[in-house]
Amino acid sequence: EAQVTQNPRYLITVTGKKLTVTCSQNMNHEYMSWYRQDPGLGLRQIYYSMNVEVTDKGDVPEGYKVSRKEKRNFPLILESPSPNQTSLYFCASSLGQGVASGANVLTFGAGSRLTVL
Amino acid sequence: AQKVTQAQTEISVVEKEDVTLDCVYETRDTTYYLFWYKQPPSGELVFLIRRNSFDEQNEISGRYSWNFQKSTSSFNFTITASQVVDSAVYFCALSGYQKVTFGTGTKLQVIP
Repeated sequence: EAQVTQNPRYLITVTGKKLTVTCSQNMNHEYMSWYRQDPGLGLRQIYYSMNVEVTDKGDVPEGYKVSRKEKRNFPLILESPSPNQTSLYFCASSLGQGVASGANVLTFGAGSRLTVL
Repeated sequence: AQKVTQAQTEISVVEKEDVTLDCVYETRDTTYYLFWYKQPPSGELVFLIRRNSFDEQNEISGRYSWNFQKSTSSFNFTITASQVVDSAVYFCALSGYQKVTFGTGTKLQVIP
C-alpha cells in the first residue's frame, strides 16, 4: 500500500530532550515536507526537500532540523524541544513540486502529536 | 511571498443545505497550483482537487464543485446538499515553485 509512515504517533517529552520524528514513504517520491498544525494557524510548512541531499526552510523552521540522506526518509529533528513546539506534525510527500516538474498532490502521514512539558 | 486566506473560521449548516467555502490567494508566480484538502474528525488529510493557474474551468464532482476565478484570486468550494459526513476542516492550499502554503482552514459542521 502506498503510504507515508510517521513515528511516533504520540510523544510526551520534556524541555531540552532531543527527539526525532521519523518519516518514510514507499512511493519513490522526490518531494517531501514537514508541517505543523496549530489551532487557528492551519498547516505551516517547516522544511521541505526537493530531492536527496536538497533541503530548504519553509515558513517556520526555527528550532527544527532535517536531513534527506535517502529518497524514502525525511526525519524531523528537534535538538532542544521547547513548549512552543507542542503541536501536531504532518509529514507529506509528492512526485514533485513546483512548476518545473508539475505540482503534484501531497500524500500525508497520519500525524504525530507532540507535547513538550 | 505567497499567501492563502480562508476568512471563514467555522460554518454550521443544516443537512441538505448548500454551503460555499471561500479561498483567496496571493502569489507573484504566473504559474501555480491550487488545492483543497479535507481533514475529517479522524485527523487524516485527504486530497480533494488540484487546479492549474492556466485552467479556469470550473469543476464538478458529485456534490462538490469548485469555482476558480483568476481575476479575483479566488478558488471557492461549494458542497451541494450537504451531509453529516461532510463535517470536517477544509484547507485551501497554493503551490508555487517549491513551497506549499495552506490557509488556516474552515471548520464545517453539518447538523442533522
